[in-house]
Amino acid sequence: GIQVEQSPPDLILQEGANSTLRCNFSDSVNNLQWFHQNPWGQLINLFYIPSGTKQNGRLSATTVATERYSLLYISSSQTTDSGVYFCAGYNDMRFGAGTRLTVKP
Amino acid sequence: DTEVTQTPKHLVMGMTNKKSLKCEQHMGHRAMYWYKQKAKKPPELMFVYSYEKLSINESVPSRFSPECPNSSLLNLHLHALQPEDSALYLCASTALAPPADTQYFGPGTRLTVL
Repeated sequence: GIQVEQSPPDLILQEGANSTLRCNFSDSVNNLQWFHQNPWGQLINLFYIPSGTKQNGRLSATTVATERYSLLYISSSQTTDSGVYFCAGYNDMRFGAGTRLTVKP
Repeated sequence: DTEVTQTPKHLVMGMTNKKSLKCEQHMGHRAMYWYKQKAKKPPELMFVYSYEKLSINESVPSRFSPECPNSSLLNLHLHALQPEDSALYLCASTALAPPADTQYFGPGTRLTVL
Protein backbone atom coordinates (compact mmCIF):
# COMPACT_ATOMS: atom_id res chain seq x y z
CA GLY A 1 0.00 0.00 0.00
CA ILE A 2 0.88 3.67 -0.14
CA GLN A 3 3.43 4.68 2.47
CA VAL A 4 4.65 8.02 3.77
CA GLU A 5 7.89 7.73 5.73
CA GLN A 6 9.57 10.47 7.71
CA SER A 7 13.06 10.74 9.11
CA PRO A 8 14.50 11.20 11.60
CA PRO A 9 11.81 10.20 14.12
CA ASP A 10 13.36 12.40 16.80
CA LEU A 11 15.68 15.37 16.64
CA ILE A 12 17.20 17.44 19.44
CA LEU A 13 18.89 20.74 18.58
CA GLN A 14 20.46 23.65 20.34
CA GLU A 15 18.83 26.97 19.64
CA GLY A 16 20.34 28.53 16.53
CA ALA A 17 21.13 25.24 14.79
CA ASN A 18 19.85 24.25 11.35
CA SER A 19 18.06 21.01 10.50
CA THR A 20 16.67 19.03 7.58
CA LEU A 21 13.62 16.77 7.85
CA ARG A 22 12.84 14.24 5.15
CA CYS A 23 9.60 12.75 3.81
CA ASN A 24 9.65 9.80 1.40
CA PHE A 25 6.51 8.66 -0.35
CA SER A 26 5.98 5.35 -2.11
CA ASP A 27 3.90 6.58 -5.05
CA SER A 28 3.48 9.86 -6.91
CA VAL A 29 1.59 12.44 -4.89
CA ASN A 30 0.03 15.71 -6.08
CA ASN A 31 -0.86 17.36 -2.78
CA LEU A 32 2.17 16.98 -0.50
CA GLN A 33 1.91 19.22 2.58
CA TRP A 34 4.04 19.90 5.66
CA PHE A 35 2.51 20.63 9.06
CA HIS A 36 3.77 21.60 12.49
CA GLN A 37 1.86 20.36 15.54
CA ASN A 38 2.58 22.35 18.68
CA PRO A 39 2.56 20.83 22.19
CA TRP A 40 -1.11 21.80 22.60
CA GLY A 41 -2.15 19.83 19.54
CA GLN A 42 -2.74 22.63 17.04
CA LEU A 43 -1.74 21.66 13.51
CA ILE A 44 -0.42 24.50 11.38
CA ASN A 45 0.06 24.14 7.66
CA LEU A 46 3.61 25.16 6.76
CA PHE A 47 3.75 24.43 3.05
CA TYR A 48 1.57 23.06 0.30
CA ILE A 49 4.32 21.82 -1.99
CA PRO A 50 3.54 19.11 -4.55
CA SER A 51 6.73 20.08 -6.39
CA GLY A 52 9.46 22.69 -6.42
CA THR A 53 10.79 24.88 -3.64
CA LYS A 54 9.10 27.37 -1.32
CA GLN A 55 10.40 29.56 1.45
CA ASN A 56 8.70 31.23 4.39
CA GLY A 57 11.03 33.05 6.73
CA ARG A 58 13.37 30.57 8.40
CA LEU A 59 11.56 27.62 6.87
CA SER A 60 11.86 26.29 3.36
CA ALA A 61 10.73 23.13 1.63
CA THR A 62 11.65 21.28 -1.51
CA THR A 63 9.74 18.46 -3.17
CA VAL A 64 11.33 16.35 -5.90
CA ALA A 65 8.24 14.61 -7.19
CA THR A 66 10.10 12.44 -9.71
CA GLU A 67 12.22 10.99 -6.90
CA ARG A 68 9.33 10.82 -4.41
CA TYR A 69 10.73 12.83 -1.55
CA SER A 70 10.33 16.17 0.14
CA LEU A 71 12.65 18.04 2.49
CA LEU A 72 11.82 20.63 5.13
CA TYR A 73 14.66 22.95 6.17
CA ILE A 74 14.60 24.83 9.45
CA SER A 75 17.32 27.43 9.87
CA SER A 76 18.38 29.26 13.05
CA SER A 77 16.01 27.12 15.12
CA GLN A 78 14.14 28.62 18.07
CA THR A 79 12.54 26.97 21.09
CA THR A 80 9.13 27.77 19.60
CA ASP A 81 9.98 25.47 16.68
CA SER A 82 9.63 22.50 19.05
CA GLY A 83 6.82 20.08 18.32
CA VAL A 84 6.05 17.40 15.76
CA TYR A 85 6.47 17.94 12.04
CA PHE A 86 4.29 15.91 9.71
CA CYS A 87 4.18 15.49 5.97
CA ALA A 88 0.96 14.28 4.38
CA GLY A 89 -0.55 13.64 0.98
CA TYR A 90 -2.72 11.51 -1.29
CA ASN A 91 -6.50 11.42 -1.63
CA ASP A 92 -6.89 10.04 1.90
CA MET A 93 -4.47 12.64 3.36
CA ARG A 94 -2.10 10.01 4.66
CA PHE A 95 0.27 11.36 7.29
CA GLY A 96 3.79 10.20 7.98
CA ALA A 97 4.66 9.17 11.54
CA GLY A 98 6.23 12.58 12.16
CA THR A 99 9.54 13.99 13.33
CA ARG A 100 9.55 15.13 16.96
CA LEU A 101 11.78 18.19 17.23
CA THR A 102 13.05 19.56 20.52
CA VAL A 103 14.98 22.82 20.46
CA LYS A 104 16.90 23.52 23.66
CA PRO A 105 17.76 27.05 24.79
CA ASP B 1 -9.77 35.14 8.64
CA THR B 2 -8.09 31.74 8.30
CA GLU B 3 -9.69 30.18 11.34
CA VAL B 4 -11.40 26.88 11.93
CA THR B 5 -13.13 26.67 15.30
CA GLN B 6 -14.09 23.56 17.21
CA THR B 7 -16.28 23.06 20.26
CA PRO B 8 -16.02 21.81 22.87
CA LYS B 9 -12.29 21.87 23.62
CA HIS B 10 -12.62 18.94 26.00
CA LEU B 11 -15.33 16.31 26.37
CA VAL B 12 -15.73 13.46 28.84
CA MET B 13 -18.51 11.00 28.14
CA GLY B 14 -19.69 7.61 29.24
CA MET B 15 -20.16 4.70 26.89
CA THR B 16 -23.94 5.12 26.87
CA ASN B 17 -23.96 8.87 26.25
CA LYS B 18 -24.77 10.71 23.06
CA LYS B 19 -22.74 13.83 22.32
CA SER B 20 -21.77 15.96 19.33
CA LEU B 21 -18.62 17.73 18.23
CA LYS B 22 -18.93 20.93 16.24
CA CYS B 23 -16.64 22.52 13.68
CA GLU B 24 -17.11 25.86 11.95
CA GLN B 25 -15.28 27.84 9.30
CA HIS B 26 -16.18 31.14 7.68
CA MET B 27 -13.56 31.18 4.96
CA GLY B 28 -15.96 30.06 2.23
CA HIS B 29 -14.18 26.71 2.01
CA ARG B 30 -16.04 23.98 0.15
CA ALA B 31 -14.54 20.87 1.75
CA MET B 32 -14.41 19.89 5.42
CA TYR B 33 -12.69 16.96 7.12
CA TRP B 34 -12.75 14.98 10.36
CA TYR B 35 -9.58 13.35 11.67
CA LYS B 36 -8.86 11.21 14.71
CA GLN B 37 -5.47 11.40 16.42
CA LYS B 38 -4.37 9.03 19.15
CA ALA B 39 -1.55 10.03 21.48
CA LYS B 40 1.88 10.07 19.81
CA LYS B 41 0.39 9.00 16.48
CA PRO B 42 -0.35 10.94 13.29
CA PRO B 43 -3.88 12.09 12.44
CA GLU B 44 -6.04 9.60 10.56
CA LEU B 45 -8.72 10.73 8.13
CA MET B 46 -12.27 9.73 9.08
CA PHE B 47 -14.65 11.64 6.80
CA VAL B 48 -14.59 14.22 4.03
CA TYR B 49 -17.47 16.44 2.96
CA SER B 50 -17.15 18.15 -0.39
CA TYR B 51 -19.82 20.71 -1.34
CA GLU B 52 -21.84 19.49 1.67
CA LYS B 53 -21.90 15.90 0.42
CA LEU B 54 -20.06 13.03 2.05
CA SER B 55 -17.31 12.11 -0.38
CA ILE B 56 -14.97 9.96 1.72
CA ASN B 57 -15.78 7.63 4.62
CA GLU B 58 -12.68 5.78 5.73
CA SER B 59 -14.52 2.71 7.05
CA VAL B 60 -15.34 4.43 10.33
CA PRO B 61 -17.63 2.55 12.79
CA SER B 62 -21.26 3.62 12.74
CA ARG B 63 -21.04 4.92 16.30
CA PHE B 64 -19.48 7.99 14.62
CA SER B 65 -22.01 9.84 12.48
CA PRO B 66 -20.97 12.95 10.53
CA GLU B 67 -23.32 15.70 9.44
CA CYS B 68 -22.79 18.78 7.27
CA PRO B 69 -25.85 21.06 7.71
CA ASN B 70 -24.34 23.82 5.55
CA SER B 71 -21.09 24.80 3.91
CA SER B 72 -19.72 26.41 7.09
CA LEU B 73 -20.62 23.79 9.66
CA LEU B 74 -19.58 20.21 10.30
CA ASN B 75 -20.79 18.03 13.14
CA LEU B 76 -19.68 14.66 14.43
CA HIS B 77 -22.34 12.82 16.40
CA LEU B 78 -21.08 10.29 18.91
CA HIS B 79 -23.06 7.40 20.37
CA ALA B 80 -22.11 4.27 22.30
CA LEU B 81 -18.42 4.98 22.09
CA GLN B 82 -15.73 2.73 23.50
CA PRO B 83 -12.79 3.75 25.73
CA GLU B 84 -10.45 3.15 22.78
CA ASP B 85 -12.22 6.00 20.96
CA SER B 86 -10.59 8.44 23.36
CA ALA B 87 -8.46 10.72 21.18
CA LEU B 88 -8.01 14.21 19.80
CA TYR B 89 -10.60 14.88 17.10
CA LEU B 90 -9.48 17.40 14.52
CA CYS B 91 -11.50 19.25 11.94
CA ALA B 92 -9.98 20.79 8.81
CA SER B 93 -11.15 22.64 5.74
CA THR B 94 -9.86 23.37 2.24
CA ALA B 95 -10.95 26.03 -0.20
CA LEU B 96 -11.30 23.55 -3.02
CA ALA B 97 -12.61 20.02 -3.20
CA PRO B 98 -10.04 17.41 -2.18
CA PRO B 99 -7.39 16.32 -2.62
CA ALA B 100 -5.33 19.18 -3.97
CA ASP B 101 -5.40 22.12 -1.60
CA THR B 102 -3.96 23.56 1.61
CA GLN B 103 -5.59 22.17 4.75
CA TYR B 104 -6.49 24.47 7.65
CA PHE B 105 -6.98 22.72 10.98
CA GLY B 106 -9.01 23.62 14.03
CA PRO B 107 -7.58 23.30 17.56
CA GLY B 108 -9.29 19.96 18.14
CA THR B 109 -11.56 18.39 20.75
CA ARG B 110 -9.92 16.11 23.33
CA LEU B 111 -12.39 13.31 23.92
CA THR B 112 -12.24 10.93 26.86
CA VAL B 113 -14.62 7.96 26.95
CA LEU B 114 -15.07 6.39 30.36
